[in-house]
Amino acid sequence: GNSVTQMEGPVTLSEEAFLTINCTYTATGYPSLFWYVQYPGEGLQLLLKATKADDKGSNKGFEATYRKETTSFHLEKGSVQVSDSAVYFCALTTDSWGKLQFGAGTQVVVTP
Amino acid sequence: AAGVIQSPRHLIKEKRETATLKCYPIPRHDTVYWYQQGPGQDPQFLISFYEKMQSDKGSIPDRFSAQQFSDYHSELNMSSLELGDSALYFCASSSGLAGGKETQYFGPGTRLLVL
Repeated sequence: GNSVTQMEGPVTLSEEAFLTINCTYTATGYPSLFWYVQYPGEGLQLLLKATKADDKGSNKGFEATYRKETTSFHLEKGSVQVSDSAVYFCALTTDSWGKLQFGAGTQVVVTP
Repeated sequence: AAGVIQSPRHLIKEKRETATLKCYPIPRHDTVYWYQQGPGQDPQFLISFYEKMQSDKGSIPDRFSAQQFSDYHSELNMSSLELGDSALYFCASSSGLAGGKETQYFGPGTRLLVL
């Protein structure tokens, strides 16, 4: 079956530091890959996505590249802000009906 | 832009009671998904509907049922509630045009507490 593995958190960073959250996956077929962000007490917001190999998704300074050869979709941001403190979920779907398979989530804490 | 609406936002129930959660998808979205997120857990897929028909089923207990109505809103009915049902329940909607790989947009969730 499909699975998503994310690096464990919490990840604690100072403001303006570089952020990387590793995500690897196992999937049958050709998955679409997503990063969702969950701010404290809120729902899930789509951060970025990629639907085929070598695609790069980007949004709000975050980037992730779909690497088929390493089955990875690592999330990066060059300079984090306190407002980036949240839980980040990597997810995939291969299903014709689209259900998402999530990773365990990585909590990011950015301090001033 | 209009987003996914869920009601109620918070719900407190006693064990063995029933609960109904409602989801109103983004206009013109024909696909609805339900997910359950336990404390400190990742969201788990429960069930989905496309054009008012059940399209997929995940780890949904037999005590739960759901349906999608003619206006595309969906309701998740939960009976004989157990303490372990306490969780955040998300609804997501998408347009089913891309064979399931369209982006899912999530609502704010309903936080259910079973006492």
